[in-house]
Amino acid sequence: DGGITQSPKYLFRKEGQNVTLSCEQNLNHDAMYWYRQDPGQGLRLIYYSQIVNDFQKGDIAEGYSVSREKKESFPLTVTSAQKNPTAFYLCASTSTGMADTIYFGEGSWLTVV
Amino acid sequence: KQEVTQIPAALSVPEGENLVLNCSFTDSAIYNLQWFRQDPGKGLTSLLLIQSSQREQTSGRLNASLDKSSGRSTLYIAASQPGDSATYLCAVSDNNNDMRFGAGTRLTVKP
Repeated sequence: DGGITQSPKYLFRKEGQNVTLSCEQNLNHDAMYWYRQDPGQGLRLIYYSQIVNDFQKGDIAEGYSVSREKKESFPLTVTSAQKNPTAFYLCASTSTGMADTIYFGEGSWLTVV
Repeated sequence: KQEVTQIPAALSVPEGENLVLNCSFTDSAIYNLQWFRQDPGKGLTSLLLIQSSQREQTSGRLNASLDKSSGRSTLYIAASQPGDSATYLCAVSDNNNDMRFGAGTRLTVKP
């Protein structure tokens, strides 16, 4: 079955530590996205990539980094510069851009301990 | 900057009732509008996508309408069931590849 796989489902980060969230898709989609969701709020865009080896900052990119070395993979690193990283992180993809139906992964919970 | 608002934030109804969820947006220059369902701790699933040139879309017991000029969309759920309990989010996209989400309406359908 085609879809988006995020891992791990739950992740704990210590102060000053970088952590990386994995996102893999087998939908052959060009565009991939990372969103952050806080309780009672809508999704906010962190980074997006419309093609391999290229990515753009979203609304809340500070403290995060990404790479897009392969079409199917778009990992997100939450760096120690992100002061409030506790949230639910969602990876998504579309065939080409936001005009297409968007597909989401199951999400990853990140908690600072 | 586009702002998307969903009211109410939470809604509880008895099983079998028809209900309407509301979504409003501030900029009518949209490309499309989508309605999503999110179960607790899960990702979003697209329910309906309405292009800016369309007035409504239907899928089973769900019907979504779009009034661009007034900046509003509604999601109508007929004959609600306990399995419909979830958070419903709307999102609007513009021609610049930007998608904005509302905070969602948390629906509880009581047996």
